[in-house]
Amino acid sequence: DTAVSQTPKYLVTQMGNDKSIKCEQNLGHDTMYWYKQDSKKFLKIMFSYNNKELIINETVPNRFSPKSPDKAHLNLHINSLELGDSAVYFCASSLQTRTDTQYFGPGTRLTVL
Amino acid sequence: GDSVTQMEGPVTLSEEAFLTINCTYTATGYPSLFWYVQYPGEGLQLLLKATKADDKGSNKGFEATYRKETTSFHLEKGSVQVSDSAVYFCALSEGGGGNKLTFGTGTQLKVEL
Repeated sequence: DTAVSQTPKYLVTQMGNDKSIKCEQNLGHDTMYWYKQDSKKFLKIMFSYNNKELIINETVPNRFSPKSPDKAHLNLHINSLELGDSAVYFCASSLQTRTDTQYFGPGTRLTVL
Repeated sequence: GDSVTQMEGPVTLSEEAFLTINCTYTATGYPSLFWYVQYPGEGLQLLLKATKADDKGSNKGFEATYRKETTSFHLEKGSVQVSDSAVYFCALSEGGGGNKLTFGTGTQLKVEL
């Protein structure tokens, strides 16, 4: 029944490691997003995909690589993790127009030690 | 570029008090405006939205009116409850080029008995 799901919910890892976060939506939406929420709760867009095509890449380091195998999935792979990558990462999905609501997943709390 | 400015928190109120959280925006076009709420440990949920000037969004006793002349979208509730304690985010979407949400910094609300 979950509309937008993410795994894992918590991720603790060492600096320099590579990790992935998975996201799936069952809403039939065309567009999916990754947002990063920092320790002060500020939310910022990282990526947006529409029908498996990258349409937003907001000056994110190229250690972050999103991959969309189909329009229901958008995964985030992070290479060479750094301390500053510690944050909560939210996946979201929507239809394509500016008026449409974005539905958010529960978030993945990444802690880099 | 687009931006959203929210009043700083935290805001602490007694139950049944009146709530106002101010939000103003800067945008080049005609954005849609949203209020999202984040309960502790959870993802973001849409609270309400308005897609054109003078529209009023409302949900669960919360209201906000899209004021183009003052570029504002202030959130109000006549009588808050302890269960309203959460972080509230004002956001806008201009659509086009990916439909990303631009968020304010969030306002933490704590309601006490």
